[in-house]
Amino acid sequence: EVQLVESGGDLVQPGGSLRLSCAASGFTFGSDWMTWVRQAPGKGLEWVANIKQDGSEKYYADSVKGRFTISRDNAKNSLYLQMNSLRAEDTAVYYCARDLWSSSSPPYLDYWGQGTLVTVSS
Amino acid sequence: DIQMTQSPSSLSASVGDTVTITCRASQSISNHLNWYQKKPGKAPKVLIYAASSLQSGVPSRFSGSGSGTDFTLIISSLQPEDFATYYCLQTYGSLTWTFGQGTKVEIK
Repeated sequence: EVQLVESGGDLVQPGGSLRLSCAASGFTFGSDWMTWVRQAPGKGLEWVANIKQDGSEKYYADSVKGRFTISRDNAKNSLYLQMNSLRAEDTAVYYCARDLWSSSSPPYLDYWGQGTLVTVSS
Repeated sequence: DIQMTQSPSSLSASVGDTVTITCRASQSISNHLNWYQKKPGKAPKVLIYAASSLQSGVPSRFSGSGSGTDFTLIISSLQPEDFATYYCLQTYGSLTWTFGQGTKVEIK
């Protein structure tokens, strides 16, 4: 059974840093792209970043570019999101998700974790 | 970047109704369009991928169509468990993906 479990969410002051983790199990983690998505309170879903299987390609939403860094450790079946220079508008539940790519269809996010809450406030 | 315009932002419907939600892309995205259901406190759930393919385990009352810039999600015979917020997600091209703004389906 595929499982994704996020952790690391916390209350942090504006300008601070936080590192989120996502522990994966039930599939060959190193074979799949992975993604972070967030949802601010009362707002819609926002795609944040994704990373290729070997970490050689990373893409970011404009809203986090230069402040957030996505990474992974395939030996530990783990995905990370390093968040620096945090702002109030980064307050959200952060989800990790698996990107399913195949030769027969476009990519999509098929499995999701339950999310971890990040609150940026003084 | 590709922008996704989803409509309506909310709608009221009764059990048994047929509901239609649309997403329009700012440029052609072929069939790189997926639909998700989101309930409060729960992870998003994929319903439709590649514009019209039903994800395994999803009831057949959900269907998707479209290609290029215009896409539709139809929920036939709305059930009580279908009251939720629905999002489209484009996964085309430059690998910076975008969600639509969401459509909240409420009980009339």
